[in-house]
Amino acid sequence: QQQVKQSPQSLIVQKGGISIINCAYENTAFDYFPWYQQFPGKGPALLIAIRPDVSEKKEGRFTISFNKSAKQFSLHIMDSQPGDSATYFCAASRSGSARQLTFGSGTQLTVLP
Amino acid sequence: KAGVTQTPRYLIKTRGQQVTLSCSPISGHRSVSWYQQTPGQGLQFLFEYFSETQRNKGNFPGRFSGRQFSNSRSEMNVSTLELGDSALYLCASQWTTGGTETQYFGPGTRLLVL
Repeated sequence: QQQVKQSPQSLIVQKGGISIINCAYENTAFDYFPWYQQFPGKGPALLIAIRPDVSEKKEGRFTISFNKSAKQFSLHIMDSQPGDSATYFCAASRSGSARQLTFGSGTQLTVLP
Repeated sequence: KAGVTQTPRYLIKTRGQQVTLSCSPISGHRSVSWYQQTPGQGLQFLFEYFSETQRNKGNFPGRFSGRQFSNSRSEMNVSTLELGDSALYLCASQWTTGGTETQYFGPGTRLLVL
């Protein structure tokens, strides 16, 4: 009930391409869905987050698409750059418990120059 | 503002020992959460403290404990270390503004249990 399933486990794209990472959740009480980016030796850094009252949120090259009925959400990275090479985690939490995030398993993104 | 600070950054212990990790949140942040990150289990929530009180606890054995001080600094303790406790331990402080809650993670403490 608390799981967040993330795919793919790894992703290789060419510079300038679109990177797409997908997540699915089970707990319908989740209402906060952030994405984190983690570089080696660093802690996760918040990229973008969405709540289920909107179906899409865009910040720069990063877009979250949210499908409440399917209980799925995805991260799109447009014009992917080598500097975007990192591990990406989706997460979810309930209102009032945003400090207790349930994370996906992570996607290692490699953007080739 | 300075970010979340965690000390030490690296630690080597042997089985059966205990360890204490420290976290200083961003100035003004009163909520601190701890997570364990391993290749096998990923990122898992340990516990969260607010104003010196534990508000949430993840599914970890009682060997894992924590506390928070009046200045919001937090410590976590792991007693009777096991090989499986080798992990990156992450601390996050939280800020809520305009109804939006954001967690800011520190760089983590990498613990190796031999």
